[in-house]
Amino acid sequence: DAGVTQSPTHLIKTRGQQVTLRCSPKSGHDTVSWYQQALGQGPQFIFQYYEEEERQRGNFPDRFSGHQFPNYSSELNVNALLLGDSALYLCASTTWGNRVVNTEAFFGQGTRLTVV
Amino acid sequence: AQKVTQAQTEISVVEKEDVTLDCVYETRDTTYYLFWYKQPPSGELVFLIRRNSFDEQNEISGRYSWNFQKSTSSFNFTITASQVVDSAVYFCALRGYGGSQGNLIFGKGTKLSVKP
Repeated sequence: DAGVTQSPTHLIKTRGQQVTLRCSPKSGHDTVSWYQQALGQGPQFIFQYYEEEERQRGNFPDRFSGHQFPNYSSELNVNALLLGDSALYLCASTTWGNRVVNTEAFFGQGTRLTVV
Repeated sequence: AQKVTQAQTEISVVEKEDVTLDCVYETRDTTYYLFWYKQPPSGELVFLIRRNSFDEQNEISGRYSWNFQKSTSSFNFTITASQVVDSAVYFCALRGYGGSQGNLIFGKGTKLSVKP
């Protein structure tokens, strides 16, 4: 059973460009959350998707947007990249019904984004 | 506001020593969940334990044990007889039951180095 998979694993972009990161949730999971982890910091919640809608959002600017597809996979898009967007981007999946009570989130290995 | 504080940035021990990682949290929710995750150099966050706010029973799993004390808002993690494979960054996280459902609030992590 494949866990949470993310692509690509590494990415280098130039300031001002746009980037798309992808996530496939663990089998049986329907809810995807995205986190940004800057070097030496803990992950910070960006947003969460369920039924193709953004359900909850952290304190991130509108340059960060997302999408969820009917097969529950998700994309994270970042526009007008800044040097400060360099980080490890983690995707986590769970089930909506169990998102708080019973099920811990399963994380992917992340995408390391470097903005130069 | 919800917050998780891991005051120890880095800890270095020699193999077979016991080590305790501290975690202090803040929340106004009466029901909440606390987690510990391990992050090896590969980047993936590995779930270790979840504790419900209404269950203060301490837990032991092999060499790992957790001490949850609501009175001091602490959820400390002890590794007994540490091994080199325990070297990683460890994160404590909090999930509320109210408006913050579905996302985790992480501390900044404690980097543990176990030397042979």
